[in-house]
Amino acid sequence: SQQGEEDPQALSIQEGENATMNCSYKTSINNLQWYRQNSGRGLVHLILIRSNEREKHSGRLRVTLDTSKKSSSLLITASRAADTASYFCATDVAGGTSYGKLTFGQGTILTVHP
Amino acid sequence: DTGVSQDPRHKITKRGQNVTFRCDPISEHNRLYWYRQTLGQGPEFLTYFQNEAQLEKSRLLSDRFSAERPKGSFSTLEIQRTEQGDSAMYLCASSFSSTGTGAEKLFFGSGTQLSVL
Repeated sequence: SQQGEEDPQALSIQEGENATMNCSYKTSINNLQWYRQNSGRGLVHLILIRSNEREKHSGRLRVTLDTSKKSSSLLITASRAADTASYFCATDVAGGTSYGKLTFGQGTILTVHP
Repeated sequence: DTGVSQDPRHKITKRGQNVTFRCDPISEHNRLYWYRQTLGQGPEFLTYFQNEAQLEKSRLLSDRFSAERPKGSFSTLEIQRTEQGDSAMYLCASSFSSTGTGAEKLFFGSGTQLSVL
């Protein structure tokens, strides 16, 4: 079953605009990660935020985490056509027997028009 | 080090045949994961290894599926008596964890696209 749910399912913007994607999850986590996937390829890690962190930046990426609401957002600023891809959030569920694995959401398809 | 490699990239087989996929992780990584992804969905966890030990298997991994990681290096995923529902992208990923718990960032291969006719 999918732990994370992304919103929106698809996002279409113009180059230079900002893109915001949201992720909600159901159970306590150790960390939350965002990945990017170009069509027909493997996933590429973008950023990891731990449960005791609230915000992280990496280049044009900004990730926030609200553990009280069990939600995260990924902001891509000044988007480029090359950012066109599917974006997935993935959670490392805390406790139990599920340590060490990531559970992925269904993804947001981002299209950036030149 | 060229990252995680998977072989083959594409596999077409007839229903009922057995198939085997190989994954070579990044050499210093102690964890290796298998995921399955169907069109329009996120990757679904199948199984993972820490060194040579298989620590968890998803309920998605029926008795037709078996994974091995001999000597904690490369891994193979075998599907016996394939069914059309097995058609998917099979992704391998690896990571390094020094703490023994928690999931660090994963490095993915390009996947093996399986088509069962």
